[in-house]
Amino acid sequence: GNSVTQMEGPVTLSEEAFLTINCTYTATGYPSLFWYVQYPGEGLQLLLKATKADDKGSNKGFEATYRKETTSFHLEKGSVQVSDSAVYFCALNPLDTGRRALTFGSGTRLQVQP
Amino acid sequence: DAGVTQSPTHLIKTRGQQVTLRCSPKSGHDTVSWYQQALGQGPQFIFQYYEEEERQRGNFPDRFSGHQFPNYSSELNVNALLLGDSALYLCASSLWGGYTFGSGTRLTVV
Repeated sequence: GNSVTQMEGPVTLSEEAFLTINCTYTATGYPSLFWYVQYPGEGLQLLLKATKADDKGSNKGFEATYRKETTSFHLEKGSVQVSDSAVYFCALNPLDTGRRALTFGSGTRLQVQP
Repeated sequence: DAGVTQSPTHLIKTRGQQVTLRCSPKSGHDTVSWYQQALGQGPQFIFQYYEEEERQRGNFPDRFSGHQFPNYSSELNVNALLLGDSALYLCASSLWGGYTFGSGTRLTVV
């Protein structure tokens, strides 16, 4: 079956530090890959996505590249802010359609200190 | 344009009771999925509805059931509540590859 593995948190960084959150996946075929962010007390917000190998998703300074050879989709940001503190979820969709279940990783909590 | 609306936002129930959670999808979306997110965990897929029928189901017992109405809104019903059903229940609507999540219903079973 499909699965997503994320690095465990919490990840604690100082403001303006470089961020990497690792994500690897197991799936057959060519899934679409996503990063979602969850702020305290809220639902999930789509941060970025990539639908095929070597695609780079980017949004709000965050980036992730779909690496099929390493089955990875690591999230990076060059300079984090306190407002980036949240839980980040990596997810996959086996097909690029809204009619398949998303499979999520267990989440990585990011804490950014001023 | 309203996104996905879930109600209620918080709910406290006693073991053995039944609960109904509601979801209104984003305008234009015809597919609704439900997820359970236990504290400190990632969301787990419960089931998905479109064209008023359950189309996919995750690894959840029959105590979890749902419905989709002609206006695409949806309900999640849980019978015979257990303490372990305490979680954030998320509804997501979609059309073609774009998922929009609601803020969730926090269910506490005591």
